[in-house]
Amino acid sequence: TQLLEQSPQFLSIQEGENLTVYCNSSSVFSSLQWYRQEPGEGPVLLVTVVTGGEVKKLKRLTFQFGDARKDSSLHITAAQPGDTGLYLCAGARNYQLIWGAGTKLIIKP
Amino acid sequence: DAGVIQSPRHEVTEMGQEVTLRCKPISGHDYLFWYRQTMMRGLELLIYFNNNVPIDDSGMPEDRFSAKMPNASFSTLKIQPSEPRDSAVYFCASSEWAKGGEHYEQYFGPGTRLTVT
Repeated sequence: TQLLEQSPQFLSIQEGENLTVYCNSSSVFSSLQWYRQEPGEGPVLLVTVVTGGEVKKLKRLTFQFGDARKDSSLHITAAQPGDTGLYLCAGARNYQLIWGAGTKLIIKP
Repeated sequence: DAGVIQSPRHEVTEMGQEVTLRCKPISGHDYLFWYRQTMMRGLELLIYFNNNVPIDDSGMPEDRFSAKMPNASFSTLKIQPSEPRDSAVYFCASSEWAKGGEHYEQYFGPGTRLTVT
């Protein structure tokens, strides 16, 4: 059973396009984190959202935590080839992180 | 800060052999996690330690897997005997408790790519 569903699983778009990745659950999390993983490397933390409804921006990336703290989204504006990678969301609950399966994103030049 | 250090980066071994993966967490971090990542199953938590004590090993696949943390700066994950289905990338991550909250941010090592033939 996947407690944290990510969608889409795979996304390939042209440079300059916008995209949104979703992370959904029926469970409440105390916080939610987004990581990016590049081939041959470990995941690297991008952001942590803690408060329901919270929005955080990291250059062209916008992260939002749902009001009920059960879901989150990552929006990328004007995607660049450097955004290519595996995006993982992870929800914190009971002192553990519950991981999504990831969204593999490819940005074509 | 050197980050989380893992060794070896690549390991190729034959079925039945013992494999030992090593991890040095970030200094000052009191949590250490071992993960396994495959295309089919994604990132799976195997075991985690707090202050060198194993807290939850429910993700360890079977008795062939064992993990130790003899001190705050070193941990090992051992597979004995290894099987082809153990082929995966194994990550070590460390974290410290977030101030004033339950959430914590994990810092991953570069991983060990294990191939069992």
